[in-house]
Amino acid sequence: DAGVIQSPRHEVTEMGQEVTLRCKPISGHDYLFWYRQTMMRGLELLIYFNNNVPIDDSGMPEDRFSAKMPNASFSTLKIQPSEPRDSAVYFCASSLNSDNTEAFFGQGTRLTVV
Amino acid sequence: GENVEQHPSTLSVQEGDSAVIKCTYSDSASNYFPWYKQELGKRPQLIIDIRSNVGEKKDQRIAVTLNKTAKHFSLHITETQPEDSAVYFCAPEGNTGFQKLVFGTGTRLLVSP
Repeated sequence: DAGVIQSPRHEVTEMGQEVTLRCKPISGHDYLFWYRQTMMRGLELLIYFNNNVPIDDSGMPEDRFSAKMPNASFSTLKIQPSEPRDSAVYFCASSLNSDNTEAFFGQGTRLTVV
Repeated sequence: GENVEQHPSTLSVQEGDSAVIKCTYSDSASNYFPWYKQELGKRPQLIIDIRSNVGEKKDQRIAVTLNKTAKHFSLHITETQPEDSAVYFCAPEGNTGFQKLVFGTGTRLLVSP
């Protein structure tokens, strides 16, 4: 397996535009996590899914953020409209199940909103 | 939810010294205690973990110790090398039936040659 794959690696967008970040987890993994990383706030858990079902979205900062997992091999994180304070590195991670809990991270998407 | 704190937030040591990073958590039901390492510009990766039925685990130069009574666990790195320079995160997990991976605040370790 190629590991967790995120796209794009870098995204620069103007304030007010819609941004969609994509993630392909490791095949067979039950869990998928979305994180945001900034210097000020560290590594924040935004939302996580178990078997494609959102379990906890309490970390999603506001209604401008939404996440979906339409099937076991794909998830999206959408920001609409984007704002400069959304600039961060967004990581997706997956893990096998509740007994094998090592999280494998993608390479991240560096988002810059100007 | 789980409150997770790490100390110190920054740690500078000389090559060859030991480094200790402590993680304090609030959920007494936590039963899994991993440490992740994130090098500059890279993704976090698991380096060592321990379960609640074990007090200490060692893997070459790194070790993790657990004090469930006091609700903290620590990462120990001996004979530090410049390549140990990174940000280290703890992520204690509760026993809710679901794996909610919440990271601590992070500790930046700098090992000077």
